[in-house]
Amino acid sequence: RKEVEQDPGPFNVPEGATVAFNCTYSNSASQSFFWYRQDCRKEPKLLMSVYSSGNEDGRFTAQLNRASQYISLLIRDSKLSDSATYLCVVVDRGSTLGRLYFGRGTQLTVWP
Amino acid sequence: EAQVTQNPRYLITVTGKKLTVTCSQNMNHEYMSWYRQDPGLGLRQIYYSMNVEVTDKGDVPEGYKVSRKEKRNFPLILESPSPNQTSLYFCASSFRVAGWTGELFFGEGSRLTVL
Repeated sequence: RKEVEQDPGPFNVPEGATVAFNCTYSNSASQSFFWYRQDCRKEPKLLMSVYSSGNEDGRFTAQLNRASQYISLLIRDSKLSDSATYLCVVVDRGSTLGRLYFGRGTQLTVWP
Repeated sequence: EAQVTQNPRYLITVTGKKLTVTCSQNMNHEYMSWYRQDPGLGLRQIYYSMNVEVTDKGDVPEGYKVSRKEKRNFPLILESPSPNQTSLYFCASSFRVAGWTGELFFGEGSRLTVL
């Protein structure tokens, strides 16, 4: 079983829509979770961390459900510029950076 | 300018011809790592290094070697490349190991084709 499984997508939504992605992880000891964004043919970049109590950054909300071992990313009021691939990242050793697991990515296209 | 630099950015080579993809960062980062990205498989970690002379295997280390003799450089070596190593490769670094806050600085990627 893969360490991190992610909604395959693609998601095609109109501007202004709300869209949510999920990502499940298999190691219950995992402690650190993040969402990255990758534009076409570019390197991934950190979008936001995922905190236990959930956290928000503008139109983006990240949540963690430890009992069900998944994290989610909610994007409200989608913009054309949100079109990208979204990757979840799980650290397998508490908060110590070592081995990382990336989800396969969920592709989002926002259309006018 | 703070950056992670990979070379070459594009390479077409033939099976069995040894090659090295260099990665250099100018941010004095402790942590460096290599990934390959393939359609449908996402980013997979090849090797990582938590400091000079400290390296460890990631998810898919077979067919690759690395070394970390200096803090700024972390080359990826393919001793005998095969077509299944055709991929997009990313190098990344981070300034902190313990209590990592999630930011990896990626290079622009190296697209490798093995014929």
